[in-house]
Amino acid sequence: ETGVTQTPRHLVMGMTNKKSLKCEQHLGHNAMYWYKQSAKKPLELMFVYSLEERVENNSVPSRFSPECPNSSHLFLHLHTLQPEDSALYLCASSRTGGLGDTQYFGPGTRLTVL
Amino acid sequence: ILNVEQSPQSLHVQEGDSTNFTCSFPSSNFYALHWYRWETAKSPEALFVMTLNGDEKKKGRISATLNTKEGYSYLYIKGSQPEDSATYLCAFGRDYDMRFGAGTRLTVKP
Repeated sequence: ETGVTQTPRHLVMGMTNKKSLKCEQHLGHNAMYWYKQSAKKPLELMFVYSLEERVENNSVPSRFSPECPNSSHLFLHLHTLQPEDSALYLCASSRTGGLGDTQYFGPGTRLTVL
Repeated sequence: ILNVEQSPQSLHVQEGDSTNFTCSFPSSNFYALHWYRWETAKSPEALFVMTLNGDEKKKGRISATLNTKEGYSYLYIKGSQPEDSATYLCAFGRDYDMRFGAGTRLTVKP
């Protein structure tokens, strides 16, 4: 147990569906992250939030919409996804968001887009 | 371009063997280098974070070194055990960007 939980663990959705991924951290951290891992590719940083403010968006398509209502919760809203968006989506948190901080990862959501 | 390269891609060793793998990263504007272990069906787990040139960190049978001037880090595992089987990821941080390598997949055979 890393103190970071993600729901659901598996999700299958059609291209016209709207769904949301949820992440919760119980570590008292101030920064949270969304990562994507596609098959045979490295982890890709999608979004960073520090103190509930978005500080980084690595040119992610607008069909992915993050939301951070407080420092313990992070959502990723999904709409009109494409089959190539099928991947493992990992959430992480760290104490301050600094690059020297250890990140603590959740178990991930395996997303399949049909 | 902020690329992080790891080698080898995969490694198969016998129980008791010692092994090492490499992480290469751009040497300019270095901030921090992280190593993570990722076992199948689990979350990536932090091993080390290193920030200074020449840093050496150790945790049990696992150790890591850092050379920021030439842009590489080595991870060593002494006397590998089957439970060491995992993918070992390194991640390089600069500005607000954290880039991960593709990992080295280690399999330790009993």
